[in-house]
Amino acid sequence: ETAVFQTPNYHVTQVGNEVSFNCKQTLGHDTMYWYKQDSKKLLKIMFSYNNKQLIVNETVPRRFSPQSSDKAHLNLRIKSVEPEDSAVYLCASSYQGASQNTLYFGAGTRLSVL
Amino acid sequence: GQQVQQSPASLVLQEGENAELQCNFSTSLNSMQWFYQRPGGSLVSLFYNPSGTKHSGRLTSTTVIKERRSSLHISSSQTTDSGTYLCALTSSFSKLVFGQGTSLSVVP
Repeated sequence: ETAVFQTPNYHVTQVGNEVSFNCKQTLGHDTMYWYKQDSKKLLKIMFSYNNKQLIVNETVPRRFSPQSSDKAHLNLRIKSVEPEDSAVYLCASSYQGASQNTLYFGAGTRLSVL
Repeated sequence: GQQVQQSPASLVLQEGENAELQCNFSTSLNSMQWFYQRPGGSLVSLFYNPSGTKHSGRLTSTTVIKERRSSLHISSSQTTDSGTYLCALTSSFSKLVFGQGTSLSVVP
């Protein structure tokens, strides 16, 4: 049963445009994540929030910015997309950190940059 | 270098055969998790297994911290087991590092 909801499922845009992805979890978790999955299926963490506070910020281009209004929501904005941003963006949540509990993933947002 | 190495990269099985998927890591471990991803689908947690052996139906996960490895055993494979299997470890509070995955195809 899905408990991590991502919108949109797909998004096609052109280089230079701004895009926003939304993520909401209904599990009552306090930690949320954004992962990027490339064409080779490799998953890399981008950001992690715990109770609305940024705790993990990997080396990603500055055009990426996460936004958290409360612990159930974590959105991702890309200011000016580039071709290499084409990927699947996966949102996840857990109770406390990933070192203590399993992660629950959303279905992903597939971004295509033309 | 890559902290988490999975093998094999891909595997084809006849329905009913068993499979052993390996995950080796080069960094200290807080936890190990195994996920399953159907083509075009989201990740589903199979095991949270920081150490020892855990069972779930036809699946068994074994993590041996001293040897820096974890394995996922699939017994009596079925065509519905086809997909990508990913292991991931954490060495800090919230940073989960994934392996490259094993792509499994089970044919009738």
